[in-house]
Amino acid sequence: QKEVEQDPGPLSVPEGAIVSLNCTYSNSAFQYFMWYRQYSRKGPELLMYTYSSGNKEDGRFTAQVDKSSKYISLFIRDSQPSDSATYLCAIMNTGFQKLVFGTGTRLLVSP
Amino acid sequence: DVKVTQSSRYLVKRTGEKVFLECVQDMDHENMFWYRQDPGLGLRLIYFSYDVKMKEKGDIPEGYSVSREKKERFSLILESASTNQTSMYLCASSLPPGTGELFFGEGSRLTVL
Repeated sequence: QKEVEQDPGPLSVPEGAIVSLNCTYSNSAFQYFMWYRQYSRKGPELLMYTYSSGNKEDGRFTAQVDKSSKYISLFIRDSQPSDSATYLCAIMNTGFQKLVFGTGTRLLVSP
Repeated sequence: DVKVTQSSRYLVKRTGEKVFLECVQDMDHENMFWYRQDPGLGLRLIYFSYDVKMKEKGDIPEGYSVSREKKERFSLILESASTNQTSMYLCASSLPPGTGELFFGEGSRLTVL
């Protein structure tokens, strides 16, 4: 079983839609949860970071962690064509720098 | 502004060649990483380094080695390139103890013929 599972997509939505991106993970020891965004022909960049369970909001983006279900989500409100990218979830153990990445979900937002 | 620079964006090499991928960061970060990214497999950690002259194997170190002679520079070496090493290679750096924020370069697309 992979440590992190993520649907590769592509996920195609019209501009203005609410987008839900999800990952599941297998190891309950993971405490830190991240979402990275990767534009075509670029390296990933950190989008959202959360510690333990709960929600975190940043503008149109909300990251949600449900540790009881080992499920993490990223919601994008009022999606824009500029949000078209691959979104990678990442998780990390406490005190350890090594990240485990999901395979990434490709999102396409059409005007 | 934070900057991780990978020396080559695109390389084409032949099977058996020795390949060097160079990465330089200007943020005085202690930690540096090399990942490869393949469709359907995502980002996989090859090697990482917590300090100068220090290296640790990641999840897929076979066929690779690394060098970190200076804090800002982390090199990935393919001693004898093979076709299954055709991939996108991404270098990243971060500060310890780690918030999960890695700063990535733009990647080096390697094709081995």
